[in-house]
Amino acid sequence: DIQMTQSPSTLSANVGDKVTLTCRASQTIRSWLAWYQQKPGKAPHLLIFKASILESGVPSRFSGSGSGTEFTLTISSLQPDDFATYYCQQYNSYPWTFGQGTKVEIK
Amino acid sequence: EVRLVESGGGLVQPGGSLRLSCAASGFTLSSYEMNWVRQAPGKGLEWISNISSSAINTHYADSVKGRFTISRDNAKNSVYLQMNSLRAEDTAIYYCASGDLYFRHWGQGTLVTVSS
Repeated sequence: DIQMTQSPSTLSANVGDKVTLTCRASQTIRSWLAWYQQKPGKAPHLLIFKASILESGVPSRFSGSGSGTEFTLTISSLQPDDFATYYCQQYNSYPWTFGQGTKVEIK
Repeated sequence: EVRLVESGGGLVQPGGSLRLSCAASGFTLSSYEMNWVRQAPGKGLEWISNISSSAINTHYADSVKGRFTISRDNAKNSVYLQMNSLRAEDTAIYYCASGDLYFRHWGQGTLVTVSS
């Protein structure tokens, strides 16, 4: 199975900050990576797929990059609605696997 | 509006069975692969199974293989997860989600608690 490792586990930041979350795969997954946002008590919400394609309706302050084994999710200017947990997911090969999540909290 | 609604969760004893359902509205479920993803309390997400649009192909995570069975009834716009031989570690919120590779639409989840 492909292991997905996210860092940091928790990130403290202020509104307006630029934040970067990292996701590493245990083997190459080319660009077959998605990012999700999850708020407490809610289902996850798709943000980005194929490493860098923004899902329809997702604000442009979110962006994704990377290929192979290293990926990043960047929020250019953190907004109050962005405080949540973020997960990456690989779909290069079964079983689809998620990272353990990065919680973005208010500093 | 696309909507997925899970049902069938509850409290079950170890070794017991449950059948989860996921009803779709606002889109034609028969056109999509469907998945079940679970989340143990306070933990991350775990994909556990999917089924192709025609139901010909299914895949399972090793953690549930041989115990869980995914199925669908396109005429009823529904997907199911039959869970047998349940263990304490199966305790989680179970989400159904649409998509063949990544998950665009999610239900609100149904809680399964395995405990004596």
